[in-house]
Amino acid sequence: GAVVSQHPSRVICKSGTSVKIECRSLDFQATTMFWYRQFPKQSLMLMATSNEGSKATYEQGVEKDKFLINHASLTLSTLTVTSAHPEDSSFYICRVIGPGTEAFFGQGTRLTVV
Amino acid sequence: QKEVEQDPGPLSVPEGAIVSLNCTYSNSAFQYFMWYRQYSRKGPELLMYTYSSGNKEDGRFTAQVDKSSKYISLFIRDSQPSDSATYLCAMGYGSSNTGKLIFGQGTTLQVKP
Repeated sequence: GAVVSQHPSRVICKSGTSVKIECRSLDFQATTMFWYRQFPKQSLMLMATSNEGSKATYEQGVEKDKFLINHASLTLSTLTVTSAHPEDSSFYICRVIGPGTEAFFGQGTRLTVV
Repeated sequence: QKEVEQDPGPLSVPEGAIVSLNCTYSNSAFQYFMWYRQYSRKGPELLMYTYSSGNKEDGRFTAQVDKSSKYISLFIRDSQPSDSATYLCAMGYGSSNTGKLIFGQGTTLQVKP
């Protein structure tokens, strides 16, 4: 069964609103979580890396005030897309790593901003 | 130049064919190489990973790495319709379970019955 749960799987929101995406590790403590964005027919692009209890590290070109990442516990990280716009419509995926474990991807969240 | 280049396809083959998927890369610091399979609207799942040049086989799948040419391949033997998916190569350096991965664009494969 899945060891990483990402929720919601799909969401449609109005332009200007905020959307929260959750990523949970189910059977292990997630010391590091990566957030990726994937546009249609394009590669997964790393947005940020979060370690439990510390601030996320954002990749160049990713606005930290727009994509808020919280990794407050060893099993949960959240990505909040603030003031979403149609160009933020994409597939967002988390990748989770724990000590001594291989990395697992979440199922992904398809965000559509209308 | 992108760090990792992968032909997006699409690639269409008949059932039973041998499929060859490839990636090239420019960063000689990459130490490990992975292949992921991604079904539509799902997260990627790890198929193969390898650290060294040469071949690694797992069932119908063979991963091949040529570090001197900066070229990696995934071969699928006796392809099945259920193999229809997007295949992503990924590579990184440092510890394989803590480091960042750089992904190729993904190749869409369709295996026709």
